[in-house]
Amino acid sequence: EDQVTQSPEALRLQEGESSSLNCSYTVSGLRGLFWYRQDPGKGPEFLFTLYSAGEEKEKERLKATLTKKESFLHITAPKPEDSATYLCAVRSASGGSYIPTFGRGTSLIVHP
Amino acid sequence: GAVVSQHPSWVICKSGTSVKIECRSLDFQATTMFWYRQFPKQSLMLMATSNEGSKATYEQGVEKDKFLINHASLTLSTLTVTSAHPEDSSFYICSARFEQGGREQYFGPGTRLTVT
Repeated sequence: EDQVTQSPEALRLQEGESSSLNCSYTVSGLRGLFWYRQDPGKGPEFLFTLYSAGEEKEKERLKATLTKKESFLHITAPKPEDSATYLCAVRSASGGSYIPTFGRGTSLIVHP
Repeated sequence: GAVVSQHPSWVICKSGTSVKIECRSLDFQATTMFWYRQFPKQSLMLMATSNEGSKATYEQGVEKDKFLINHASLTLSTLTVTSAHPEDSSFYICSARFEQGGREQYFGPGTRLTVT
């Protein structure tokens, strides 16, 4: 069974204070690791897909990296508008369903 | 691109009534649509997966007779909560995926259902 664990559960940063969110996973045959951002009362917004260890993707202040066991979402010099819950999901070939498994998310608050 | 809409964004209904939620992919054809339920400060709980023109596949523990899913076209899926009860109150989110676009899902804005 695929498992996704995100840490920390909650993170408070000062504006400009860089940090990283962690997503540890256990899957049988990774077919994609996804990062989403979710604002309160809204649906998740797609950020990145990573497929293989060593892969990196960037978007503005966010950078996602992937190893064989975990992914990091690095936030450089965050701003208050980066406050949101960040969700990680993995998709594997187990059972042939290709349905992603989501983590519980990391709630990020950036103080001005 | 890859925009998914949901309607309504919120709904209040009385116990025992049925509520229909629509999910539309606006600028792409969705080969697969998903329905999720999310409780406060919890992650997404997958309810069912549907492919256009075929019956939905429900996750274990989800009552198919209570949560009716219809994927009528490549751009529209509906979730009907039948004989709603207060415990059905939740945030329902749909997502859509198109194979040509990759393996990621694109989510709708969600529907807040409150059953009184």
